[in-house]
Amino acid sequence: NAGVMQNPRHLVRRRGQEARLRCSPMKGHSHVYWYRQLPEEGLKFMVYLQKENIIDESGMPKERFSAEFPKEGPSILRIQQVVRGDSAAYFCASSPPPSYNSPLHFGNGTRLTVT
Amino acid sequence: AQSVTQLDSHVSVSEGTPVLLRCNYSSSYSPSLFWYVQHPNKGLQLLLKYTSAATLVKGINGFEAEFKKSETSFHLTKPSAHMSDAAEYFCVVTSPRDDKIIFGKGTRLHILP
Repeated sequence: NAGVMQNPRHLVRRRGQEARLRCSPMKGHSHVYWYRQLPEEGLKFMVYLQKENIIDESGMPKERFSAEFPKEGPSILRIQQVVRGDSAAYFCASSPPPSYNSPLHFGNGTRLTVT
Repeated sequence: AQSVTQLDSHVSVSEGTPVLLRCNYSSSYSPSLFWYVQHPNKGLQLLLKYTSAATLVKGINGFEAEFKKSETSFHLTKPSAHMSDAAEYFCVVTSPRDDKIIFGKGTRLHILP
């Protein structure tokens, strides 16, 4: 059973471009979480999705950031018009329901660098 | 409301000596508690979890944690540190009342030769 797959591992974008980060959850997992990590700042929750639904996006910036988890295919975190401050490691995690009692399974992250 | 506090941002121990990483939580309901480890340039990996069964929980790599309700603590311990334990450790609390998953800020463990 493959783990959580994130791609690309490294992504370089110029300011103003769009960044698309993909996450394929573990087989059978219907819950996906996105986190952002900056050095020495721990993990910041961004968004929690179930298939075709955004459950909690309280950690997402109101502008330029969006996320989806379609019925088929991976979850996508999209950052439009990237700025230098978007440079960070972005981690995806998945879990089976019920989420409160289930451990999260993390991917190895996508490291976004904005030049 | 739930919260979790990792009391030390950095801990240094010598190889072969005990490890103690402290975590205190706050939860209005019976929480589930987790410890995760993150090695450099990797995602987080589950070390162990407490979900209202035995209060002493054994995890991977020789780690264990004890749930103490009276102290609202879930400290992570290991009898003898190994160089490969150098990593960042996160304490996490969740609640059955909502789907919130609260991460601590992390403790970076340094192992001295």
